[in-house]
This record gives sequence, C-alpha cells and structure tokens, in this order.
Amino acid sequence: EIVLTQSPDFQSVTPKEKVTITCRASQSIGSSLHWYQQKPDQSPKLLIKYASQSISGVPSRFSGSGSGTDFTLTINSLEAEDAAAYYCHQSSSLPFTFGPGTKVDIK
Amino acid sequence: EVQLVESGGGLVQPGGSLRLSCAASGFTFSNYWMHWVRQAPGKGLVWVSRINSDGSSTSYADSVKGRFTISRDNAKNTLYLQMNSLRAEDTAVYYCARSLTAYDYWGQGTLVTVSS
Repeated sequence: EIVLTQSPDFQSVTPKEKVTITCRASQSIGSSLHWYQQKPDQSPKLLIKYASQSISGVPSRFSGSGSGTDFTLTINSLEAEDAAAYYCHQSSSLPFTFGPGTKVDIK
Repeated sequence: EVQLVESGGGLVQPGGSLRLSCAASGFTFSNYWMHWVRQAPGKGLVWVSRINSDGSSTSYADSVKGRFTISRDNAKNTLYLQMNSLRAEDTAVYYCARSLTAYDYWGQGTLVTVSS
C-alpha cells in the first residue's frame, strides 16, 4: 500500500498570505496525485488533478506541482473562504489512498 | 448538472447489514467508473471500493473485503454498496464519487452508525 504523508498537519494563516502544503508518497506514483478541499460538513471538492492540472471553476490561486514522490499544493493570497481541510490522494495503484489531511485555519 | 445522491444510511447493530444507494443524474452514468469513500467522524478520507463502468470488475479495501459488495444498475443510474457483518469501526459517512481516476464529483454522503 502506498502511504501518503502530509505536512503540516495544521496551519493558521493570515488572509493574503501564501500557503504551501506538501504531500510525500512512500513510493513513486508518477503524476497520479490529486488534491481535494473539504470544508466543515461538506463533501470534498477536487482542486487539482494529476499533480498540476487545474480544474474548471477552481480559483487560479490554487496550484499544484511535483512528480514521483514529492508534491506541493500552493494557495496564493489566501482568502477567508479557503479555511478547510486539504487532502492529497493517489490513484497510481490499489488500494487508492489519501493523505491524513492538512487543516488550514484563518487567523 | 451532475448530481450524486446517497441514501440508505442509519443505525445498525454490530453484525448487521445495510445497503447504500447512490442515485446519479446529469451525466451518462454507464460511461464512468464509480467509487465509495468513507470518513469516520472527525477523521480523514478512506477509499472503500470501486467498480468499472459496466460492473464487470470490482476492487475493495482489505478492511471490507468479504463483507462489502459494490454493484451498479446502469439502467437505473444507481450505484450500490451492500454492507454485511458490520463492525463499530465501519461507522462513517459514506460518499459515492465519480471517477476519471480523480474524483470530480462527490455525493453529500450518508451516515452509517454501527452500535448496540
């Protein structure tokens, strides 16, 4: 099973600040890494697919990068509505797995 | 508009059974692989099972293998998860998700609580 680790676990951020969340895979997964945002009491929402591909309707302040084992989600100029948990997810091999999540709080 | 609506959750005793449904609309259901993902209260996301577009191929997490069965009825645009021999650790919100490898649409989830 491919294990995904995320850092940090929690981040408290001021609006307009830049946020960087990292996801590391226990073995190479190419670009089969996706990012989701989950706000309290809501379903997850796809932000980035295949490490860096943007999703229609997702604000351009969200971007992704990386390949192999190391990936990054960047939120440029954080807005109050971005307070949420963020999860990475690999679809390279079964069982598909998720990272433990990073909670982003607004100061 | 793509919609996925889960139903069938509830309170069940350990060892009991439930069948979850996920009604799909707004897209050609038979063209997509579908997945179930669960989330225990206050915890992260966990993949449960997947089924290919015509229902001929399925996969399961080890934690549910032999107890859960995923299926679909493309004529009814509905995905199912039959859950047997339920355990306390199966307590979670269960989401169905449409897959093009990434999950581009999710349902609102249905809560399953396993408790005596």
